[in-house]
Amino acid sequence: AQKVTQAQTEISVVEKEDVTLDCVYETRDTTYYLFWYKQPPSGELVFLIRRNSFDEQNEISGRYSWNFQKSTSSFNFTITASQVVDSAVYFCALSPRSGGGYQKVTFGIGTKLQVIP
Amino acid sequence: DTGVSQNPRHKITKRGQNVTFRCDPISEHNRLYWYRQTLGQGPEFLTYFQNEAQLEKSRLLSDRFSAERPKGSFSTLEIQRTEQGDSAMYLCASSFLSAPSYNEQFFGPGTRLTVL
Repeated sequence: AQKVTQAQTEISVVEKEDVTLDCVYETRDTTYYLFWYKQPPSGELVFLIRRNSFDEQNEISGRYSWNFQKSTSSFNFTITASQVVDSAVYFCALSPRSGGGYQKVTFGIGTKLQVIP
Repeated sequence: DTGVSQNPRHKITKRGQNVTFRCDPISEHNRLYWYRQTLGQGPEFLTYFQNEAQLEKSRLLSDRFSAERPKGSFSTLEIQRTEQGDSAMYLCASSFLSAPSYNEQFFGPGTRLTVL
């Protein structure tokens, strides 16, 4: 069984503040993928990142950075200098690695981020 | 360059009626997925196709639900005898699988179903 826990249901920050969204996962699979998706008010899920379970190197993309720690089963997401356009629901997700890629993705409940101008 | 499209975007129906949704994946994507998202929750996997073959179905997909992808291109999701608990956003995603590389699942805008 797979499970993704996002303990923060809602976060509010003032523009330009840094914010970290927490994600803890459970899986029995030895190889798997972790993801973050963004769902703005328009509703369409936007892919942000995929991380392989064997690659614990942290990643930075512009104002976004991700911290993967296998020892604590966590995959946290930090937005630096937040902007109003970052306001959305963010989902952490998990999928077992299967053959060529992945299929069934298990999502967390989501963290609603509100950036106040 | 067009993304995944879904029709209709909104559907309101009365309990007991049948509804059908359509998903058009990104051109040349050979995998297609259906997810359901209820209010305040994350998406839940329902089923997926590789070309025209339906390879996995979730336990969430009761006998009232049927999905098809007859020619390996667009897909339809039908719900028979709708119940109020079926009210949700139905999301479609597609991806391209070609060993050794593969692409991410890209999601459509969803069809929001309201059962009265």
